[in-house]
Amino acid sequence: QVLLQESGPGLVRPSGTLSVICDVSGGSLRSSHWWTWVRQSPQKGLEWIGEIYHTGTTNYHPSLKSRVHMSLDLSNNQCSLSLDSVTAADTAVYFCARGLRVGMGSADLDLWGQGTRVTVSS
Amino acid sequence: DIQMTQSPSSLSASIGGRVTISCRPSAPIRHYLNWYQQLPGKAPKLLISGTSTLQEGVPSRFSGSESGSEFTLTINSLQPEDFATYYCQQAYNSPLTFGGGTKVE
Repeated sequence: QVLLQESGPGLVRPSGTLSVICDVSGGSLRSSHWWTWVRQSPQKGLEWIGEIYHTGTTNYHPSLKSRVHMSLDLSNNQCSLSLDSVTAADTAVYFCARGLRVGMGSADLDLWGQGTRVTVSS
Repeated sequence: DIQMTQSPSSLSASIGGRVTISCRPSAPIRHYLNWYQQLPGKAPKLLISGTSTLQEGVPSRFSGSESGSEFTLTINSLQPEDFATYYCQQAYNSPLTFGGGTKVE
C-alpha cells in the first residue's frame, strides 16, 4: 500500500522560501506516475502547483513557474517542493499526490498525502 | 487555463436522498473529468475518473455523467459518510484545474 506523507515548516517569513517534503512509502518514485503538488486555501481553493517525473522532467503552473522548484530524492523515496519569495497569498495546505497521466499533459490524482499547513507571516 | 464552474456551492440533503452536483468547463475537455470527495480535515479522494469510471472501492451509489458539455455527479441514497465537499477537476490539459467545490450538508 503506497502512502504519501508531507512535512513542512509550519511557519515561513514573508519573502522567505517555503520547503515541503513528501515521503513516499510502499512504492517507488520510479513508477509511471507524476509526483504532483497541490495547495488549498480558502481564497483560491484547490490549486495545482506542478509535477515531476522520475526522469527529472517537471511541469509547473505558469503563475508560479518563476518561484517554484521540485526535485526527487530517489534513494530516500522523497519528493520535495520549494517556493521562493513567499507572501501571505502562499498560505495554504500543501498536498503531494500521485498523478496518472491522461489527456494532454494532465493527470488523475489517485493518491494524496494528508497535507501540511504552511502559514506565511512575520 | 480551463475554468471549472461548479454548482451549487452548497446544498442541504437528507439521509437516503439524492444529490446532483454540476460542473461546467470553460472549454471542451472531452471525457477528461474527475470527481473528488473531501472530508473535513482530510485530503481529497478520487471518486470518479474519465467522467464515469468509479475508482476501486467507491460505492455504486456514486455515478458520473455528461450531457451537452455539462458534467454531473449523482449520489443516490445518501449515507452519513457522504456529507463532504465534492470537487470536479479537468484532466484534459495542463495546468489541471479544479472547480470551486460543493459542500453537501
